Parts: sequence; structure tokens; C-alpha cells
Amino acid sequence: TQLLEQSPQFLSIQEGENLTVYCNSSSVFSSLQWYRQEPGEGPVLLVTVVTGGEVKKLKRLTFQFGDARKDSSLHITAAQPGDTGLYLCAGAPWRGNKLVFGAGTILRVKS
Amino acid sequence: DTEVTQTPKHLVMGMTNKKSLKCEQHMGHRAMYWYKQKAKKPPELMFVYSYEKLSINESVPSRFSPECPNSSLLNLHLHALQPEDSALYLCASSPVGTSTYEQYFGPGTRLTVT
Repeated sequence: TQLLEQSPQFLSIQEGENLTVYCNSSSVFSSLQWYRQEPGEGPVLLVTVVTGGEVKKLKRLTFQFGDARKDSSLHITAAQPGDTGLYLCAGAPWRGNKLVFGAGTILRVKS
Repeated sequence: DTEVTQTPKHLVMGMTNKKSLKCEQHMGHRAMYWYKQKAKKPPELMFVYSYEKLSINESVPSRFSPECPNSSLLNLHLHALQPEDSALYLCASSPVGTSTYEQYFGPGTRLTVT
């Protein structure tokens, strides 16, 4: 069974601070997706990383896929209250279409 | 268009009622999914349809019955639910045959069973 360990589970920071969320596994994934979800809404796809060592930037968000394709990180620079939400990482297996989700990180950015 | 729509947005039903949740996508995706999500937890996979055929049933109780009438529509029929079935029900779709399996989620149906 493939597992994705996501940390931290909860993060409460002040506006302007930086933060990093981690997803780690002993399994290799073909790709990894990051989603952000606001209360009462569905998850919104932020990015997909595919190549080992890949780094993608989305404004103040930086996503990295580990060289061995077993881990990923999300770094937010100068967090804003609008970044508040549940962040989910999800690994795609080499076969089949069943994503493996991390437990999620609840981020609260206070103004 | 990367939109997945779900209706209704909210649903309150008694334990003896029969209701249906509906999902629609027009992205040409041939895989569609039903997930159940409790507050502050990741989505839990319930069913997967691939090319309109049920390919995965995650041992979901028979009081949940999925249906895929065509490549754009996905329904979830509900009957004799329990209060513990109250949750956010999410529909998602993805292309088939790619290595990324990016899934696009709808806004969900907030279900309350009384």
C-alpha cells in the first residue's frame, strides 16, 4: 500500500511569514499533485510535478519534486490571509488512476 | 473549460429518503470519481468509472449506488443512509491514459442525514 506522509498537520502564521509543507513517501510516484481547498468547496488543482528534481513556481508558491520522485514540498513566500485553506498533496501511481492523498495541512494566515 | 459541476450544493435527507447527487463535466475526460470527505480530512475514494464502466468500488455500502449514464454525467443514488454518512461528497474527473492522472474536482454536495 502506498502512503504519503504530509506535515505539518496544522500551521498558524502571521501575514508576511514564509512556510513549507512536506509530503514524503517510501514509494515512487509517476507524478504528484498539490491541491488547495477552502471550507465547503472542492479541492482546486494548483500544480502537477512530473520529473524528478522538478521545481515549479506559481506566483509566491514554489513546488519541488524530489529527485527520486518519493517526496515533494510546497513553499509559500510572504503568506497572505487569502492563502488560508487545506493543502493536499496527492501522488499518482504508475498504474491505475487511484490517487494517494496525504493527510492534509490546514494553513491559517492571520492579518 | 476545467469545470466540474455538482448539484445540489446542499442536501438534507432523512434516513428513509431516496435522493440522488449529480455531477457533470465537459472536458472530455473518460474517468470520473466519487469521493467522500469529512471535515479537515483528505477525500476518501468511493467509486471510479473508466469509459463509463465501474472500475473501482472501495467496498462502499450498498446504500450508495453509482451510475454513469454517459461520458459526461455521473450520479450517486442514496437510499437508507445513516447519520454517519453526513459529509461533503465530491465528484472529480480526469483523462485516461496519461501518466499524471490530474483530477479536477467539483464544488461538492454537503449532505446532512437526519
